[in-house]
Amino acid sequence: RKEVEQDPGPFNVPEGATVAFNCTYSNSASQSFFWYRQDCRKEPKLLMSVYSSGNEDGRFTAQLNRASQYISLLIRDSKLSDSATYLCVAPGGGSQGNLIFGKGTKLSVKP
Amino acid sequence: GAVVSQHPSWVICKSGTSVKIECRSLDFQATTMFWYRQFPKQSLMLMATSNEGSKATYEQGVEKDKFLINHASLTLSTLTVTSAHPEDSSFYICSARAPPMNTEAFFGQGTRLTVV
Repeated sequence: RKEVEQDPGPFNVPEGATVAFNCTYSNSASQSFFWYRQDCRKEPKLLMSVYSSGNEDGRFTAQLNRASQYISLLIRDSKLSDSATYLCVAPGGGSQGNLIFGKGTKLSVKP
Repeated sequence: GAVVSQHPSWVICKSGTSVKIECRSLDFQATTMFWYRQFPKQSLMLMATSNEGSKATYEQGVEKDKFLINHASLTLSTLTVTSAHPEDSSFYICSARAPPMNTEAFFGQGTRLTVV
């Protein structure tokens, strides 16, 4: 099982749609997770941290299910500017704080 | 928030030459920095962990003699791609996590390397 697996995508949705991304992780000892957003040819930028059962930030809701080792990201009322690749990120197994990235899910929001 | 600056943002070099990429933490001290590589439509893959004042830790399959990492100060890590070949063309990106360790990772702007 790969360390972090995501929906392959791409997701093509109209403006205003609700879209959900899923992610599974293999290290059951992992405590904190992140969703990053990466625009084409740019560095990843933090979208949300997921520390406990889940959290919400405006149109974005992240949920964590430790029993199933599953993380999700829900985007409501999609905007054109939400078009990007969304990366699910889990802590690496090392003690130095490296992160493991999923392959990312590409989202295209159309007018 | 914490800022990580990477330079250059893009570089084109001839096959066989070496390229140095710098990664600086601007407003915090980073004893550890991470170097990633991303090929088109692929995930970021950790290449190595850079440790201030000691040798870098390389991931399996990454040649330490080809990708030289130096972390001479608490705010600067460098990655040198030696004897670059076209297959080394990629997006190289560094990151650091500001204390405490469970916070988000901050990324440099990335360096797009093209070897011709």
